[in-house]
Formats: sequence, C-alpha cells, structure tokens
Amino acid sequence: NAGVMQNPRHLVRRRGQEARLRCSPMKGHSHVYWYRQLPEEGLKFMVYLQKENIIDESGMPKERFSAEFPKEGPSILRIQQVVRGDSAAYFCATSPSGQVNIQYFGAGTRLSVL
Amino acid sequence: KQEVTQIPAALSVPEGENLVLNCSFTDSAIYNLQWFRQDPGKGLTSLLLIQSSQREQTSGRLNASLDKSSGRSTLYIAASQPGDSATYLCAVGNGGATNKLIFGTGTLLAVQP
Repeated sequence: NAGVMQNPRHLVRRRGQEARLRCSPMKGHSHVYWYRQLPEEGLKFMVYLQKENIIDESGMPKERFSAEFPKEGPSILRIQQVVRGDSAAYFCATSPSGQVNIQYFGAGTRLSVL
Repeated sequence: KQEVTQIPAALSVPEGENLVLNCSFTDSAIYNLQWFRQDPGKGLTSLLLIQSSQREQTSGRLNASLDKSSGRSTLYIAASQPGDSATYLCAVGNGGATNKLIFGTGTLLAVQP
C-alpha cells in the first residue's frame, strides 16, 4: 500500500505563472487536507476536502488559491499568478473514509517562485 | 483561537542522554494530539497519537504524555541517538467534522555522537 503521493516534489515557477500541486491519497482514503509551511514558520491548515466537496477552506487565501478533489484522480491545489510570497512547502495529508482521527502526510511539494 | 507553542526551539544533547520536549496549547478542548518528526527537506512522520481521553502513549524509546487540563504534552526520548536528530512537531486536532491540525513551530533536536 503506497503512502500519500505528492508530485512534483520540487516546482519552480516565475512570478505570474500558475502552479498545480497534486496529491494522491492512500488507498481507501477519501479525506484530503492541504497544509502550507512557510520558511521559518510552522505548518498552517489551508483546506479540507472530501470527494468532490470542499468541507473547510478557512485557511485558504481568498484570492489566487483553489483546491479540488474530483471523483476520479488526485486532489489538486492550484495557485494562479504566483508571487514570491507563495514560496513554501505544501503538504497533503489524507485520512481513511469515515475517520478523521489520524492524518497521514505526504513528502510535500516545495514551491520556489523566482 | 487555539495556539500551540513548543519549547525549546532548539536543543543539542550528547548521545545517550534522555530528553524531554515540551508542547503547550491554549484551548484544552482538543480531540487528540500528535507528535511528528520532520527531517530536513522531507515530509512528516507520525510518531505518537494521543486521544483526548488518554494520558500517555509509548512506542519504543518514545513516550508522550498529555495533560489536557493544564494544556501540556511532553515527548520523552530515552537513550538518544544521532539518528534522532530532526525537528519534532506537536499538533493538536480540534475535532469536529474537520479535525484540522494546529501545529507548533517545532523543536530542532541535534544529538551529538
């Protein structure tokens, strides 16, 4: 059983470009969380999704950021018109269906904006 | 608003020492608490999960305790090894439909050979 898979591991974008970060949950997991770790800061919750639904997006910036978890395929965190302040490590965590007791984390995507 | 604090921010110990990492949180109404390990440039590895009704959990050389009423948790590492060097993160789950995690900023541990 493969763990939570995130790709790419490293992503470099120029200011104004779009960044798409992907998260494939563990088998049997239907809950997805995205967290962001800014340099020298702790991890901060961004959004929580179940299949095809956004449940809690209280940690998402109001503009340029969006997330989806379609019926088929990975969860996508999309950042439009990236700025240097978006440079961070973005982690995905997933939980088994019907359980949010424990979250399993992926290795993260490190986004660098030039 | 829940806030999680970890002290010390950094710790350096010689190999073989026992050590304690501290985590405090401001709102005692938590669902659970997890301790994670993060190696440089890597993801998070879950070490121990304590439910709000539990007092402690043990795994190998690690023991985590939880005192909800005082808003504290400790991670005890026995007989430390250089391979234990990493950043240790404490995270509180707030329960509800989401159980999103609120993280502390971590303790950077260096175990000297």
